Order: sequence, then C-alpha cells, then structure tokens
Amino acid sequence: DAGVIQSPRHEVTEMGQEVTLRCKPISGHNSLFWYRQTMMRGLELLIYFNNNVPIDDSGMPEDRFSAKMPNASFSTLKIQPSEPRDSAVYFCASSLDREDEAFFGQGTRLTVV
Amino acid sequence: AQSVSQHNHHVILSEAASLELGCNYSYGGTVNLFWYVQYPGQHLQLLLKYFSGDPLVKGIKGFEAEFIKSKFSFNLRKPSVQWSDTAEYFCAGLSGAGSYQLTFGKGTKLSVIP
Repeated sequence: DAGVIQSPRHEVTEMGQEVTLRCKPISGHNSLFWYRQTMMRGLELLIYFNNNVPIDDSGMPEDRFSAKMPNASFSTLKIQPSEPRDSAVYFCASSLDREDEAFFGQGTRLTVV
Repeated sequence: AQSVSQHNHHVILSEAASLELGCNYSYGGTVNLFWYVQYPGQHLQLLLKYFSGDPLVKGIKGFEAEFIKSKFSFNLRKPSVQWSDTAEYFCAGLSGAGSYQLTFGKGTKLSVIP
C-alpha cells in the first residue's frame, strides 16, 4: 500500500480564499483523523471519522473549517474563508481500528498570506 | 483530562551518546502508548508502541521504551545516537477504554552533533 496520501503538499493562498485539502487513507482502515501542527500548539486533533461518519469534530477551530468523508477512500478538509492564522501543516492519518496506531500522511503545508 | 507531557523541549547530543527522552501520561486505567518520530520536513512515523505485556518495548532503529506504571512514564531510550537520529520525537497516548483520541505531547527536538 502507498500509505496515506495527501494533496497538495504545499498550498499558498490569499486571505479570504477557500482552501481544500485532500486525503486518501490506507485501504481497509476504518478510522481517519485530521490533525493540525503549529509551532505554538503542537499537534491538535481537528476531527475524527469512523466508518466515514464524523464522530468528534470538537477540535475544529471554528465554523470556517469543515470536513467530509464521502466514502472510505477519500476525505476533505475545507477552510472557507482562510485566514493567516490558519497557516500550519495539516496531517491526515488513518488506522485500522480506532485504538490502533495511526499512520500519517506527508502533510499539507498551508500558508495563508 | 488525559494528557501527555514531554519535559525536554530540545536535546543536543554528540554522536554515540546515550539518549533518554522523558514522557509522562495522566491516564487512569488501561492505556496505549506510542512514540513517533518526525524527521525534518517529513510526516510522523511510528517508532514503537505499548499496549500490554512486557513493559520494555523495542522499536525500529535501535530505539526502546519502558512503561513504568507506578511512575506514569514511558521514556524513550537509545544507547548510542547517530547524526541521522536528528528529528523531533513525539510521545502519544490513547486511553484503552474505547477511546480514539490520540493525545500527543509537545514533542522533543533532538539534535545530534557529528
């Protein structure tokens, strides 16, 4: 398996624009996580899906953030409108079972100017 | 609230020195513990994990960690570091009671000087 695949790897956008980050989990994994990593706050869990259903989105910072998982092989994280403080590395991770180790994608480095 | 603490923010070692990175957790009951490594510009990779059984866990690249329940600790060790071990190391915990939220420590940056 190619592992967790995220796209794009880098995204630079202007404040106010919509940003969509994409993730393809490892085939067969039923848990998917979106994390955000910043120098100030470290790794933060944004949202967790189990069997394509959002279970916990309490980590989503505000209504500008939304995430979907229309099927077992694809998830998106959307920020609309984007702000400079959203600049961070966004990681997608998947696991076979929610209590198992998480496999991380390469991340998307988002810069909002 | 469940939490994971890493006390060292930045550790600088010379090659061949021994390494120990501290990790403490605040979970009650069953806990699953992990150490991840993040090389510069890369994603997190699992070094080792502890679910149950032998408290001394061996991982990849010569790393090991010891789960000490009485101290709520899961310290990472390596007897002799190499320049290629320069990376950031994250301890993470998961309450075994049906939890899904992997809680990460703030990370420890390791710099190994040749």
